[in-house]
Amino acid sequence: GQNIDQPTEMTATEGAIVQINCTYQTSGFNGLFWYQQHAGEAPTFLSYNVLDGLEEKGRFSSFLSRSKGYSYLLLKELQMKDSASYLCAVRSSLNDYKLSFGAGTTVTVRA
Amino acid sequence: ETGVTQSPTHLIKTRGQQVTLRCSSQSGHNTVSWYQQALGQGPQFIFQYYREEENGRGNFPPRFSGLQFPNYSSELNVNALELDDSALYLCASSSGRGGGETQYFGPGTRLLVL
Repeated sequence: GQNIDQPTEMTATEGAIVQINCTYQTSGFNGLFWYQQHAGEAPTFLSYNVLDGLEEKGRFSSFLSRSKGYSYLLLKELQMKDSASYLCAVRSSLNDYKLSFGAGTTVTVRA
Repeated sequence: ETGVTQSPTHLIKTRGQQVTLRCSSQSGHNTVSWYQQALGQGPQFIFQYYREEENGRGNFPPRFSGLQFPNYSSELNVNALELDDSALYLCASSSGRGGGETQYFGPGTRLLVL
């Protein structure tokens, strides 16, 4: 199976930067996803990494190191609406029909 | 908006009852995956349907079953409900078999078992 670890909670100030780390252990790595989930709502897709390096999408960037089993999601210029849970999910080529999720990191943005 | 819809949005049942949850996939998607999300946890994979056949299953008992229809909509059935089945049930649609594509989630059905 997969072990996926991410911090439980983080707090940051509006306009600041926050980095959410995710470490994973899996056989046959076949992609890492980040999703944002507001309380009581569905997860929404943010980013996908399958090769090492940084993927940038506006205020959000995601980084992957396959050799270290490590990823991070970087949120820049934080806004109040970024307060949400951020889920790291890994796909394995051994059972590539499913995503295995971490428990999520709750980010609170304060004024 | 992902174009994935689920019904009902909320449901209350009692132990031992049966429930059916429904999901309509995004246009052009032929794969539906179901996940269970307990409070404060990440989603846990239940099973996936591709072109009306089960394509993979997670660690859930047989009382969790599903169907996919020719229009690629899907149902999740849970028999003999237990208190621990209380959770948010999410369906996600994607295109293609297995791991090729991103999964897009619907709004979920929140099930409470009393």
